[in-house]
Amino acid sequence: AQSVTQLGSHVSVSEGALVLLRCNYSSSVPPYLFWYVQYPNQGLQLLLKYTSAATLVKGINGFEAEFKKSETSFHLTKPSAHMSDAAEYFCAVSHGGKLIFGQGTELSVKP
Amino acid sequence: AAGVIQSPRHLIKEKRETATLKCYPIPRHDTVYWYQQGPGQDPQFLISFYEKMQSDKGSIPDRFSAQQFSDYHSELNMSSLELGDSALYFCASTSGGTLRTGTPYYNEQFFGPGTRLTVL
Repeated sequence: AQSVTQLGSHVSVSEGALVLLRCNYSSSVPPYLFWYVQYPNQGLQLLLKYTSAATLVKGINGFEAEFKKSETSFHLTKPSAHMSDAAEYFCAVSHGGKLIFGQGTELSVKP
Repeated sequence: AAGVIQSPRHLIKEKRETATLKCYPIPRHDTVYWYQQGPGQDPQFLISFYEKMQSDKGSIPDRFSAQQFSDYHSELNMSSLELGDSALYFCASTSGGTLRTGTPYYNEQFFGPGTRLTVL
């Protein structure tokens, strides 16, 4: 069965600092991985997706993620955090079309 | 650009009542997914439809049923509501042509704003 695990339910960074949100996957087949962001009282918005075309994936709002098969990881990074990045972030794997989500990581950004 | 529409946005019901949630996918999207997100939890897959047929089923209670209509909108019907059904219910749509061709399932799912159901 496919699954993802997000390490750290809460991450706090200062404005301008590096953002690193961790995601590890478990899959017996090449996975299709996604990062979604959820702002309070809103739906989920796709940040980026990995579909085996390239291991380094660039997304919206300056985010990127690198697929590392040897580490079964798909960590999300952003070089410089903005206050507007404060939100809940979900890593997900596609399993026959449906998405299996991680537990989520709440990112807070301090001024 | 048109987005996924869900109605109502908020719903308050008493225990043992019924509720109907509606989802209108993005035009030309033929696949709909339903997810349930409890307080402080990650979204959990409930059920999906492709071309008006149920394509997959997750941890959906027997008290719930859903269908996709000829115009591709979908409805989630919930009966005998329980306190534990209080959650945010998301609908997502995508173009599911890959389900028939065998190509990988990585089409982006576009999520609606959700329906917040509160059961008292």
